[in-house]
Amino acid sequence: DGGITQSPKYLFRKEGQNVTLSCEQNLNHDAMYWYRQDPGQGLRLIYYSQIVNDFQKGDIAEGYSVSREKKESFPLTVTSAQKNPTAFYLCASSILTGTGGRGYTFGSGTRLTVV
Amino acid sequence: SQQGEEDPQALSIQEGENATMNCSYKTSINNLQWYRQNSGRGLVHLILIRSNEREKHSGRLRVTLDTSKKSSSLLITASRAADTASYFCATSSGNTPLVFGKGTRLSVIA
Repeated sequence: DGGITQSPKYLFRKEGQNVTLSCEQNLNHDAMYWYRQDPGQGLRLIYYSQIVNDFQKGDIAEGYSVSREKKESFPLTVTSAQKNPTAFYLCASSILTGTGGRGYTFGSGTRLTVV
Repeated sequence: SQQGEEDPQALSIQEGENATMNCSYKTSINNLQWYRQNSGRGLVHLILIRSNEREKHSGRLRVTLDTSKKSSSLLITASRAADTASYFCATSSGNTPLVFGKGTRLSVIA
């Protein structure tokens, strides 16, 4: 079955440490996205990519970095510059960026906690 | 930037009742979408309504869109305990990613 896989499900980060969240899709979608979800604040866009080797900053890109070397993969690195990284991170993909086509397909999320 | 704002923030109903959630947005849109999120999970796409449509149905879901008022509503008929989740509206404008609201938490009591 086609889908989008995020790993790990839970991740613990120490102060000053960089961590990478994985997102892989086999839906042949061109566009991929990273959202952050905090309680009561809905989803906020971190980065998105419409095509391989290209990506754009979202509303809250500071302290995060991404790469898009393959169509299937869009990993997110939470750097030590992100001062409040504890949150639920959601990866999504879609056929079209703007219209949303048939909607976004989301992964099951990664819960990141600073220890 | 948050485009859609759902109302109410939380809703509690008895099983079998209808649940209505509203979404307001600020700028012109290509389409508006509704998603569901079970606790601790990813979002699931429910339904998409284009800016030139006024109403759309899918099973027990009914979505309306009023572009003059920049608002949409999601009606879930004959609610079930399994409908308990958070519901988000998301708007699409131009060639940019979806912008999500803060969601409505629906509790359906058996």
